[in-house]
Amino acid sequence: AQSVSQHNHHVILSEAASLELGCNYSYGGTVNLFWYVQYPGQHLQLLLKYFSGDPLVKGIKGFEAEFIKSKFSFNLRKPSVQWSDTAEYFCAVNAGVSYGGATNKLIFGTGTLLAVQP
Amino acid sequence: NAGVMQNPRHLVRRRGQEARLRCSPMKGHSHVYWYRQLPEEGLKFMVYLQKENIIDESGMPKERFSAEFPKEGPSILRIQQVVRGDSAAYFCASSPRTGNDSPLHFGNGTRLTVT
Repeated sequence: AQSVSQHNHHVILSEAASLELGCNYSYGGTVNLFWYVQYPGQHLQLLLKYFSGDPLVKGIKGFEAEFIKSKFSFNLRKPSVQWSDTAEYFCAVNAGVSYGGATNKLIFGTGTLLAVQP
Repeated sequence: NAGVMQNPRHLVRRRGQEARLRCSPMKGHSHVYWYRQLPEEGLKFMVYLQKENIIDESGMPKERFSAEFPKEGPSILRIQQVVRGDSAAYFCASSPRTGNDSPLHFGNGTRLTVT
C-alpha cells in the first residue's frame, strides 16, 4: 500500500533560518506530489505540486520542493522563514495516476508542525 | 467565490448519539472527498463521492459511518451511535473533475467531540 512519511513532527526555527522538511513516499509507479499548509484555525491550502517535468517546483510564499525519484523524496524548502510561516505542513501523494488519473484521492503524511520564533 | 463550506465547525455529541457533518463544495465542483484527522495523525481518506454516487469508500469504517452527495444540497457524512474514538477533525475537499490540473480544495473542517 502507498504511504507517506514525514520524519520531522515538530520543528522550531528562528526567523531568517532556512527550512527543509523531509517527505518520503512508498510507491513504485507514477505519482503526483503535493505540499499543503494549514495555518492555525484555517483550512488546508495548496503550497505547491509536482506532476512532471522539472523536478524543482516553486510554490507560493517562497517555498520550493525537489522531487528526487531515486530517493522517493519530495522535500520542502524555504531559504528564510518568517514568523507568519508558523503552521502545520502536510506532504501528500496521489498514486492514482497509473490508472488514468481516475481519482484525486490523496494519501497524506502525518504532518510537521513548524513554529517560527520572532 | 466561496470556498468549500463545512458546518458545523464544532460539534459535541454524547456517546450513542448521531453526528451529521455537512459539506458544500465549491461552486462548479462535483467531486467530494472526506478525510478524518485523528489527534497526532495525518489526514486519512474516508470516501470519494460524485453527485449521487459513491465512487470509493475504501477508507470508511464498515459500521456506523455513511456518506451521501445528493443531486441537490450538500454532501453529508453521518456517524451513528458515536463513540469516543470518533472524536476527530473531519475535512471535506472538492474538485471540479479528476485529473492533474484539478487539485483538491479543502474546507475548514468539523471538529467532532464525543463525550
